[in-house]
Amino acid sequence: GENVEQHPSTLSVQEGDSAVIKCTYSDSASNYFPWYKQELGKRPQLIIDIRSNVGEKKDQRIAVTLNKTAKHFSLHITETQPEDSAVYFCAATNFGNEKLTFGTGTRLTIIP
Amino acid sequence: NAGVTQTPKFQVLKTGQSMTLQCAQDMNHNSMYWYRQDPGMGLRLIYYSASEGTTDKGEVPNGYNVSRLNKREFSLRLESAAPSQTSVYFCASSEATLLGSTNEKLFFGSGTQLSVL
Repeated sequence: GENVEQHPSTLSVQEGDSAVIKCTYSDSASNYFPWYKQELGKRPQLIIDIRSNVGEKKDQRIAVTLNKTAKHFSLHITETQPEDSAVYFCAATNFGNEKLTFGTGTRLTIIP
Repeated sequence: NAGVTQTPKFQVLKTGQSMTLQCAQDMNHNSMYWYRQDPGMGLRLIYYSASEGTTDKGEVPNGYNVSRLNKREFSLRLESAAPSQTSVYFCASSEATLLGSTNEKLFFGSGTQLSVL
C-alpha cells in the first residue's frame, strides 16, 4: 500500500518569511495529492490539491509542487501570517482507490 | 446545511466499557470514513464505506466495528474500550466513491475526544 512521509514535524518561521513542507510517497501510481490544514482544536480542511498531470499549482500565497520522478511533493507558503499557524497534512492516493493515505503532519508556528 | 455532524464531542470511558460514536452528513455524499488522530501519527484510517451498504477496513481496524446505517449515517463502535484507544476521532465524508478522479475533497466532522481510563 501507499506510504507517505512528511518533513519536518515542526517548523517555526518568522512572520513574512516563507515556509516549505515536504512529502514523499511510495506508490508510483498515486495521482492525487491534497493538503489539509488543521487549526488548533478544529477539524482538518482542504487548502489545495494537485494532480499528477501538472507540476505546480498556486492559490494566492499557497503553492504546491510535484516531482513525479522523485515521488515527492511540497507545500510552499509565502509571506506567512499568524493565521497560517496550524498543523498541515499531506496525503496521496491513486485513481480507483477508495481512501487517502495521510502523512504524519507538520506543526507550523509563525513567530510575530 | 450542517455538513458532517459527530456526537459526542467528548467522552470518558473505563476500560472494558462500550460505546458508539455517531456521524451523519447532509451533503448526499457517497463515501464516509472514520479516522483517529494521535500526536505524531497523523490521521490513520480505521474503517471506511465507499457507498451505502459497503464497509472496509483501513489501517487500524482492530478493536472497532462500523455500521453504514444508510447513506447519511456511519457509526463507529468500540465493543470493549482499551487505554490504547484514547484518541481524537474524526468522521469524514466525500462525494467521490473512487478517489483520484474528481470530487475527492474530504469534509471532516468536528471530532470526538475520547479518553479510556
